[in-house]
Amino acid sequence: NAGVTQTPKFQVLKTGQSMTLQCAQDMNHNSMYWYRQDPGMGLRLIYYSASEGTTDKGEVPNGYNVSRLNKREFSLRLESAAPSQTSVYFCASSPHGVSDTQYFGPGTRLTVL
Amino acid sequence: GENVEQHPSTLSVQEGDSAVIKCTYSDSASNYFPWYKQELGKRPQLIIDIRSNVGEKKDQRIAVTLNKTAKHFSLHITETQPEDSAVYFCAASRNAGNMLTFGGGTRLMVKP
Repeated sequence: NAGVTQTPKFQVLKTGQSMTLQCAQDMNHNSMYWYRQDPGMGLRLIYYSASEGTTDKGEVPNGYNVSRLNKREFSLRLESAAPSQTSVYFCASSPHGVSDTQYFGPGTRLTVL
Repeated sequence: GENVEQHPSTLSVQEGDSAVIKCTYSDSASNYFPWYKQELGKRPQLIIDIRSNVGEKKDQRIAVTLNKTAKHFSLHITETQPEDSAVYFCAASRNAGNMLTFGGGTRLMVKP
């Protein structure tokens, strides 16, 4: 099993550009999450999908949108990137919600100039 | 919402010593408390978790204690080794909720 995979690993954008971060898991997990990690601030939840067909806002959703394409895939879109969105983005999945072990992907390092 | 505070932000110990990291949480309904380890440039990985129906859990050199009354929980690492050097994150969530709230992290450095 590959676990949780993310693409791309690195990305540099100019202010105002858009892009989609891709995430997929092959563990048949119901729940998926997108976090951002900034220095000294831990991991903050952007959006989550408790199950296929549902998505909800997390702690810091402004400037982002998500799509739960199917049970395996959960994408994060930045419509108009801003320098404040420079961060490392992690996707995670868990079998049945937040009280299960979350398995993280390798992360995407995004820089917005 | 839930607020999780973690201390200290950095911790340096000699190899073989013990390390203790403490977290406090604000939501009395929280009942799941995992700890994640993140090595430099790597993804976070779960190392141990505890649920509110127990006060302590051990796994080899790692233990976690929970004080529900005081709303704090701690990670204890004994006989530290250089490979324990990493950033450790605590987190909290409630069973019926959908968010895992993380602390700010502790950078542990184990000196050989």
